[in-house]
Amino acid sequence: GIQVEQSPPDLILQEGANSTLRCNFSDSVNNLQWFHQNPWGQLINLFYIPSGTKQNGRLSATTVATERYSLLYISSSQTTDSGVYFCAVERRGAQKLVFGQGTRLTINP
Amino acid sequence: GAVVSQHPSRVICKSGTSVKIECRSLDFQATTMFWYRQFPKKSLMLMATSNEGSKATYEQGVEKDKFLINHASLTLSTLTVTSAHPEDSSFYICSATARGGGGGSSYNEQFFGPGTRLTVL
Repeated sequence: GIQVEQSPPDLILQEGANSTLRCNFSDSVNNLQWFHQNPWGQLINLFYIPSGTKQNGRLSATTVATERYSLLYISSSQTTDSGVYFCAVERRGAQKLVFGQGTRLTINP
Repeated sequence: GAVVSQHPSRVICKSGTSVKIECRSLDFQATTMFWYRQFPKKSLMLMATSNEGSKATYEQGVEKDKFLINHASLTLSTLTVTSAHPEDSSFYICSATARGGGGGSSYNEQFFGPGTRLTVL
């Protein structure tokens, strides 16, 4: 099956810092989504981005499908950005998302 | 748009009992719903995929007789954990997609419910 690797596994930053989270995947994909899992377990959709670049406020994402990676950028981090960020992909021909192991982000005041 | 609800949010039950978890798409018709399981500090693992009106497709290693899935309508799927044991304690999360778009979503974008925390004593 398709492999999804996220890096780094853990990231601790001070409020106001910028960060880049990476997601590598091993096959062509139909779908790539970035999620933020809050402390209560809810997965919040950040981006649907099988290719290209999108921005939403302080967050942006870029997927280079030909090179099989995606990046999530968080600028001017706030303590509320803390949590686990997951990348998930749907391989072409499949009907399901495969999740990476996540990046645990901690933003200290 | 694209809101998925789950009920209950938390359940504690005795070993040997059955527990039913409901997943509803509130503002779109979900052609496909998915059930995941998540252990503490781990990623999500897909348990099964269900399409409305047909039998669920289970992932390898998931006992279909233990985890009964019913997708009776385009807005409701249920997961029943039968004869629950302490090792079934986990966080169960459903998701839904409206393939082809719907509720303002992209073609095959998945939206997740808030999860159900099951504790089996």
